[in-house]
Amino acid sequence: SAVISQKPSRDICQRGTSLTIQCQVDSQVTMMFWYRQQPGQSLTLIATANQGSEATYESGFVIDKFPISRPNLTFSTLTVSNLSPEDSSIYLCSARDRGRVGYTFGSGTRLTVV
Amino acid sequence: QQPVQSPQAVILREGEDAVINCSSSKALYSVHWYRQKHGEAPVFLMILLKGGEQKGHEKISASFNEKKQQSSLYLTASQLSYSGTYFCGTDPFGNEKLTFGTGTRLTIIP
Repeated sequence: SAVISQKPSRDICQRGTSLTIQCQVDSQVTMMFWYRQQPGQSLTLIATANQGSEATYESGFVIDKFPISRPNLTFSTLTVSNLSPEDSSIYLCSARDRGRVGYTFGSGTRLTVV
Repeated sequence: QQPVQSPQAVILREGEDAVINCSSSKALYSVHWYRQKHGEAPVFLMILLKGGEQKGHEKISASFNEKKQQSSLYLTASQLSYSGTYFCGTDPFGNEKLTFGTGTRLTIIP
C-alpha cells in the first residue's frame, strides 16, 4: 500500500502564527484527505484535495483558516492559520492507492498552540 | 451525522471473541473498519461494499446490513496485538469521503 510521509511530527506554535503540514505519498493518488483528531476522539474530515482544482471543505471548515495546496499527484500541504489554543490537535493526511481498497494515513502532526 | 459505535469500550482476556457495532443514520455505499493504536495512525482492516462484497483478514470478519444501515466487526480468538481503538468509516455516496464513527476502545489482557 501507499506510504505517506508527514511532517512535522509535532510542533509548538505561538498564537496568531501559522503552521504548514506536508504530506508526501510514494505513489500517485487522485484524492488526498485532511483530518483533525482531538486526543481520545474520532477523526473529523477537514477537506478533500484534488490535484489541479480547489480543495473541497467540510461544514465548519473554511479555506481562509485551512488553506490547502495540491501541486501534483504525490504531494499536499495543509496550513492552519491564525492559530489559537482551540487549534491544538492532531492533524492527519490520508490517501488511497489506485486499485487498493483501504486508506493509508500519514503518521500525524501533533500541534500545540500556546 | 457521525456513526455511533457500541460498545464504547471493552476489556477481554486473550482468546476471547469481540463484536463491535457501527450504526449510521444514512444509507451506506460502503463501510470501512480501522484500528488505531495509541500515538499511531489508523490502519485499514476491512471494507464492506453495498451488495455484500467483503474484504479483510483471516481472524477478523465483518457483516454489513444495508437495510438497517449497520455494520459489525468480529474479532475471533483475540490476541494482545488486537488492543487499540476501532473506528468504522462510512461512505454514503461512493465519493470516497469517510465519516468516522465514535470509536470503540478494545483492551486485551493476558
